Amino acid sequence: KAGVTQTPRYLIKTRGQQVTLSCSPISGHRSVSWYQQTPGQGLQFLFEYFSETQRNKGNFPGRFSGRQFSNSRSEMNVSTLELGDSALYLCASSLPGANTGELFFGEGSRLTVL
Amino acid sequence: ELKVEQNPLFLSMQEGKNYTIYCNYSTTSDRLYWYRQDPGKSLESLFVLLSNGAVKQEGRLMASLDTKARLSTLHITAAVHDLSATYFCAVDRAETSYDKVIFGPGTSLSVIP
Repeated sequence: KAGVTQTPRYLIKTRGQQVTLSCSPISGHRSVSWYQQTPGQGLQFLFEYFSETQRNKGNFPGRFSGRQFSNSRSEMNVSTLELGDSALYLCASSLPGANTGELFFGEGSRLTVL
Repeated sequence: ELKVEQNPLFLSMQEGKNYTIYCNYSTTSDRLYWYRQDPGKSLESLFVLLSNGAVKQEGRLMASLDTKARLSTLHITAAVHDLSATYFCAVDRAETSYDKVIFGPGTSLSVIP
């Protein structure tokens, strides 16, 4: 059973540019969550999608956005990149409504903003 | 606002020793999770604790949950070098029918020979 797949794994951008990250969840998982991980702030919740609808959103500026497609694949976009956006962006999928709520994480997309 | 704290944040321990990592959270929650992250890697699920008094064990790791005290512990028995990693606890915050998982700051564990 394939795990959560994130692309690209590594990318370098410059300030002001925008970036789109992709996440394919485990087959059958319809809930996708995004997290930003930095050494200073730790793991911070960005947003969660289920059935193409954003269910929850963390405390991030509007430059951070996302969407989910009918096949449960998800993308997140960061516009007008800032140096502080350099981070590991992790996507996780889960079975909504499942008793455990366990998250299954992808390998992450490491973004460096120069 | 739900807050999740871990103690200690950094832990260096000798092989063969026992130690406990503590996880406190600020509001009532339905579920508690423990994850492991190796350097440069993603997070791996270790335990899911669903009810008060729940205890789960896998190898040298044992996790427990006390919902009344809003406390979970991750006990390490006879540590080995392979356990060196960062350990995160995480808590669900159920809001209506939705929930999101909030993570603690992580405990960086280093097991030295």
